[in-house]
Amino acid sequence: NAGVTQTPKFRILKIGQSMTLQCTQDMNHNYMYWYRQDPGMGLKLIYYSVGAGITDKGEVPNGYNVSRSTTEDFPLRLELAAPSQTSVYFCASSYSDRGLGEQYFGPGTRLTVT
Amino acid sequence: AQSVTQLDSHVSVSEGTPVLLRCNYSSSYSPSLFWYVQHPNKGLQLLLKYTSAATLVKGINGFEAEFKKSETSFHLTKPSAHMSDAAEYFCVVSESGNTPLVFGKGTRLSVIA
Repeated sequence: NAGVTQTPKFRILKIGQSMTLQCTQDMNHNYMYWYRQDPGMGLKLIYYSVGAGITDKGEVPNGYNVSRSTTEDFPLRLELAAPSQTSVYFCASSYSDRGLGEQYFGPGTRLTVT
Repeated sequence: AQSVTQLDSHVSVSEGTPVLLRCNYSSSYSPSLFWYVQHPNKGLQLLLKYTSAATLVKGINGFEAEFKKSETSFHLTKPSAHMSDAAEYFCVVSESGNTPLVFGKGTRLSVIA
C-alpha cells in the first residue's frame, strides 16, 4: 500500500494563477480531507468528503474547490491564487467517521504564491 | 464549541530523560482526543487516541497519555526520550462524528544528546 500520495511536493505560483493539488489513496477509505498548515499553527480543514460525489466545506474553504468523482481521488483546486494561500497542504483519509477514526496523512504539498 | 490548547510551543529535553507535552481541551460533550506526531517534511502520524474507554492510553514508540476529565487535560508522556522523538506534536480534539477535528498549534520537541 502506498497510503496517501500527493503531487506535486512543491510549487511556486504567481498571483492570479490557478492549479490543482492531486491526492490519491489506495486504502479504500470513504472519508477524505484537505487541510492547510500555516507556520506555528495547527491544521485547518479546508474541505472534506464522506464518499464519491459528496463534498462539504470545512473551516477555511474560501478560494478553493474540490471534487470527488472516485473513492481514490480527491483533488483540490485553487482559483486565482493569492499570497494568503501560501501554506503547506495536507490530504488525509480515514476508514470511519471523522471523530473516531484514525486519519492517514499524505506527505504534503508546499505552495508559495508570489 | 470545542478547542484545544497546547501549553508549550517548544520543549527541550536531554536524551534519556522524561518527556511531558501538555494539552488542555474544551468540549461541551465527551470528546475524542488524539496525539499526532509530525517529523520534519513529513505528514502527520497518529501516536494514540482516547475514545471514552480506558483513561490511560498507550501509543506507539513508548508514548502514553492520560485523560483527566476533572482537569480537562490530555498530557502526553514518555519515560525516556530518544533522539528520534524530535518532532512536532499536535493535540487534537473531536466532539463527535459530526464535527471536524480541531488541532492545537503544536509543540516542538527537541532532544539534546
